[in-house]
Amino acid sequence: QKEVEQNSGPLSVPEGAIASLNCTYSDRGSQSFFWYRQYSGKSPELIMSIYSNGDKEDGRFTAQLNKASQYVSLLIRDSQPSDSATYLCAVNTDKLIFGTGTRLQVFP
Amino acid sequence: GAVVSQHPSWVICKSGTSVKIECRSLDFQATTMFWYRQFPKQSLMLMATSNEGSKATYEQGVEKDKFLINHASLTLSTLTVTSAHPEDSSFYICSAMAGTLNTEAFFGQGTRLTVV
Repeated sequence: QKEVEQNSGPLSVPEGAIASLNCTYSDRGSQSFFWYRQYSGKSPELIMSIYSNGDKEDGRFTAQLNKASQYVSLLIRDSQPSDSATYLCAVNTDKLIFGTGTRLQVFP
Repeated sequence: GAVVSQHPSWVICKSGTSVKIECRSLDFQATTMFWYRQFPKQSLMLMATSNEGSKATYEQGVEKDKFLINHASLTLSTLTVTSAHPEDSSFYICSAMAGTLNTEAFFGQGTRLTVV
């Protein structure tokens, strides 16, 4: 079982819609969870961090964490074409491990 | 967010030579730095974790004698690819954290290495 799993996509949503990205992890001892955005040929850029169960909102982004289900999600409201990128879920135990990423396509 | 500077952003080298990549945290002290490699259309693969003043911890399958990591100060880590071969051509990215748990990691710009 992979340590961090994501659906590779692509996930296609129309402009203005909500994009929902999901991630599961295997290590129950994981404490810190992150969502990064990566454009092609560039390095990852931090979008959100979440450390406790529940929701955390920042602008159009909401991260959700459920440690009992070992599940992290990212919601992007009012999706824009500029949000089109690969979204990487990362989990920190004693090292920072990434999922394979979900490619999001927002079409006008 | 915090700033991590990685240099060079791209490098072309001849097969058999060595290449050094630098990763600097500019506005915070990085107790932990991670080195990743990313092949086209694939995710980031963790190569090693380095803590200031101690030896790096390498992931399974990563040759420590080929990929030399030095984390000599709280603001600088280096990765040296020794005796590079064309199959080492990849996108190498560092990230740095100011702490351990519940601390965000910030990435350098990445280094695209091409070995000819």
